[in-house]
Parts: sequence; C-alpha cells; structure tokens
Amino acid sequence: KQEVTQIPAALSVPEGENLVLNCSFTDSAIYNLQWFRQDPGKGLTSLLLIQSSQREQTSGRLNASLDKSSGRSTLYIAASQPGDSATYLCAVRNAGKSTFGDGTTLTVKP
Amino acid sequence: DAGITQSPRYKITETGRQVTLMCHQTWSHSYMFWYRQDLGHGLRLIYYSAAADITDKGEVPDGYVVSRSKTENFPLTLESATRSQTSVYFCASRDRVETDSPLHFGNGTRLTVT
Repeated sequence: KQEVTQIPAALSVPEGENLVLNCSFTDSAIYNLQWFRQDPGKGLTSLLLIQSSQREQTSGRLNASLDKSSGRSTLYIAASQPGDSATYLCAVRNAGKSTFGDGTTLTVKP
Repeated sequence: DAGITQSPRYKITETGRQVTLMCHQTWSHSYMFWYRQDLGHGLRLIYYSAAADITDKGEVPDGYVVSRSKTENFPLTLESATRSQTSVYFCASRDRVETDSPLHFGNGTRLTVT
C-alpha cells in the first residue's frame, strides 16, 4: 500500500524567502507525481505534474523535482509572496489511482 | 463550460437518510474518482471508475455506493448517512493511462450529517 508523507505539516516564512516543501512515498513504482494547491474552503488546483521518467518540472516561480529511487519529491517556491499562502498537497499515482499526502500549510507573512 | 461540476455545493441531512452527490465532467475522461477530505486524514479515496460500468473500491468504501452508466457522470450515494460521513467530498477525473494525464478536481460538496 502506497503511503505518502509531507513534512513539515505547517510552515511560516517572511515574504521574499525561497522555500522547499517535501513529499516522500514508500512505493517507487509510480506513474507520476502531482503537486496541488488548496486555498481554505476551496478545491484543489493542479500546479505541476512530473512523470516517472522525469527529474523536474518548472512553472514560473515553482520547481518540482522527483527522485523516484529514493521516494522523494520537493516543491521549490522562489521569492515567496503572501498570495502563495495555501495548503500544498502532493499526490502519487500508482497504476489506476492516486494517493495523497496530508499537505503542508504555508503562510507567507508580509 | 468545460470541467468538473459537483452538486450540491452544500448539503445538510439527517442520520439514516439517503443522499446522492453528483459529479459531471465534460472532457470524456475515462477515469473518475471520489475522495473525502477530513481534518487529520487528508484526502482518502472512496471509489473510482476506469470507464462506464467499471467501478472499484478505494481506501474507505464502506457505507457508499457508486454507479457509472455514462462516461460523464459518477454519482456517489450514501445509502444511510451517518455522522462519521460528515466531510468534504471531491470528485476528480483524468484521461486514460497516459503518464502525463493530470488529475482534475471539482469544487467539492460539503456534507453535514446531523
């Protein structure tokens, strides 16, 4: 059974800092890994998807890396802004279905 | 509009009642999923479907029933609601098989069982 862990559970940083969110998984036979953002009371918005054959993906100030053999992914956020405050979740896909971590709640202080 | 639509957005029901949550997607995606999100448990998979008339259990299927007679619809029924089923329910879909097909989510249904 796939298990996904996100550390830390919560993170507070001042505006402008670069930061890294972590996601680890136990079963490395994955199809892909997807990072999501969730604002309070809202649905999940897809940020980045990394296929199992890829090492990283970039979108604007976001960069996600994948080390499948060690069961780890990181989401790097450059020059953080208050608008980045949200919960960030990673989801790991094995065959038909995806397993989610519990998320990291990020607060960026002005 | 293209996307996933869930209805209703909010629902309050009583213990023992039957309630159905609706999910409709316009992409003709093969796969559809139902997740519930609870504090302390994250998102947990209830049921999923690989195609019309094909469904499979997820991590927490007890107390729920699904059907998929059409590709675009995937209703979730709570046959006899319990307070432990108070949660936010998310429907998701994705295209078939390809490793680069992302999950897309609806806006969720907040269900309260009193």
